[in-house]
Amino acid sequence: GENVEQHPSTLSVQEGDSAVIKCTYSDSASNYFPWYKQELGKRPQLIIDIRSNVGEKKDQRIAVTLNKTAKHFSLHITETQPEDSAVYFCAASGGGGAGKSTFGDGTTLTVKP
Amino acid sequence: DTAVSQTPKYLVTQMGNDKSIKCEQNLGHDTMYWYKQDSKKFLKIMFSYNNKELIINETVPNRFSPKSPDKAHLNLHINSLELGDSAVYFCASSQRQGAGEQYFGPGTRLTVT
Repeated sequence: GENVEQHPSTLSVQEGDSAVIKCTYSDSASNYFPWYKQELGKRPQLIIDIRSNVGEKKDQRIAVTLNKTAKHFSLHITETQPEDSAVYFCAASGGGGAGKSTFGDGTTLTVKP
Repeated sequence: DTAVSQTPKYLVTQMGNDKSIKCEQNLGHDTMYWYKQDSKKFLKIMFSYNNKELIINETVPNRFSPKSPDKAHLNLHINSLELGDSAVYFCASSQRQGAGEQYFGPGTRLTVT
C-alpha cells in the first residue's frame, strides 16, 4: 500500500521567514496530493492541493510543488505569520488500496513573533 | 449549515463500556471516513464507506463496528472500551473515494478511564 513520509516533524521559524515541509510517497499511481492545516483543538482543513498533471500551484503565501519522478511534494509558506502556527498534514491518494488517502505523520509549525 | 457534524463532542466513559459516535454530512458526498488521532497527533484512517458500502477497513480491532444507514450517515460503535481507545475520532467525507478534498467533522474526544 501507499506510504507517506513527512519531514520535519517540528519546525520553528521567526515571523516573516519561509517554511518548507516535505513529503515523499511510494505509490506511483497516486495522483492527488492535498495539504491540511489543523489548528489546536480544531479539525483538519484543506489549505492547498495539487494533482499529478501539475508541477506547482500557488495561492497567495502558500505554494505546493510536486516531483512525480522523485515521488515527493513540498509545501512552501512565505512571510510566515503567528496564525500559521498549526500542525500540517500532507496526504497522497488515488492510487491502489481502493484509492484511499494516506496521511503523513504531521509537522508542527511554530511561528515566533 | 454545518457540512460534517459529529455527536457527541466529548465522551468520557469507563473501561469495558460500549459507546457510539454519530456522524452526518449534508454535502451530498458519496464517501465517508473514520479517522483516529492519537496523543501524538497522528491521523490514521480506520474505515471508509462509499455509498453505504464498506471499502476500507484498516487493522482495527473488531470491537470497532461502523454502520452506514445511508450515504449521509456513518456511525461508529465501540464495544468493551479500553484505555488505548482514548483519542480524538474524526469523521470526514469526500465527493468520491480517493479523489478530492476531505471535509472533516469537529471531532469527538473520547476519554476512557
